[in-house]
Amino acid sequence: GAVVSQHPSRVICKSGTSVKIECRSLDFQATTMFWYRQFPKQSLMLMATSNEGSKATYEQGVEKDKFLINHASLTLSTLTVTSAHPEDSSFYICSARRGQGDTEAFFGQGTRLTVV
Amino acid sequence: GEDVEQSLFLSVREGDSSVINCTYTDSSSTYLYWYKQEPGAGLQLLTYIFSNMDMKQDQRLTVLLNKKDKHLSLRIADTQTGDSAIYFCAEQTGGYQKVTFGTGTKLQVIP
Repeated sequence: GAVVSQHPSRVICKSGTSVKIECRSLDFQATTMFWYRQFPKQSLMLMATSNEGSKATYEQGVEKDKFLINHASLTLSTLTVTSAHPEDSSFYICSARRGQGDTEAFFGQGTRLTVV
Repeated sequence: GEDVEQSLFLSVREGDSSVINCTYTDSSSTYLYWYKQEPGAGLQLLTYIFSNMDMKQDQRLTVLLNKKDKHLSLRIADTQTGDSAIYFCAEQTGGYQKVTFGTGTKLQVIP
């Protein structure tokens, strides 16, 4: 099956700094990528949908200026958590969908962000 | 909008079958997934079913889909202690085909 790689898998940063998480589709071109967040003992919540070459669509309640998403190419999307605070500590997971139409989504392994 | 519900907890004895249930509300779903998540780990795709199917079997896993009732289930045969984890069902819908996750079911396997 298709492979989606996320980097880094774990990151610890100081409060006030920014952190960039990369999501790459390794063996296919992903026209659409999704970013999810999972708080401890909770389900995964969709944060935003990004299409290559256009602005991301954010879900209600997600601050677009805080969570910057860039889908610069068909194989790479990045999520930057700006001015991170301890409450941003979470598990972030991306997924990618190949092409148009009804194609399945493939998930990365996730990034555990800890803000201290 | 999409709403995916699961029971929170299931406990079974080792060797028995486990059945994890999921209900969803969006009838336009295309793919429905089952993921496994162990403590502190990422998501592991177990299996998925396309919405025009009603059953899929993959070794110890059987997925049943009842589109009329918007009900999805995952049966794990001969459940092992290594199957203890949280199981998420998820449905893929909409123009962008985004995936909405259920609340997760924690499966506890008793030796």
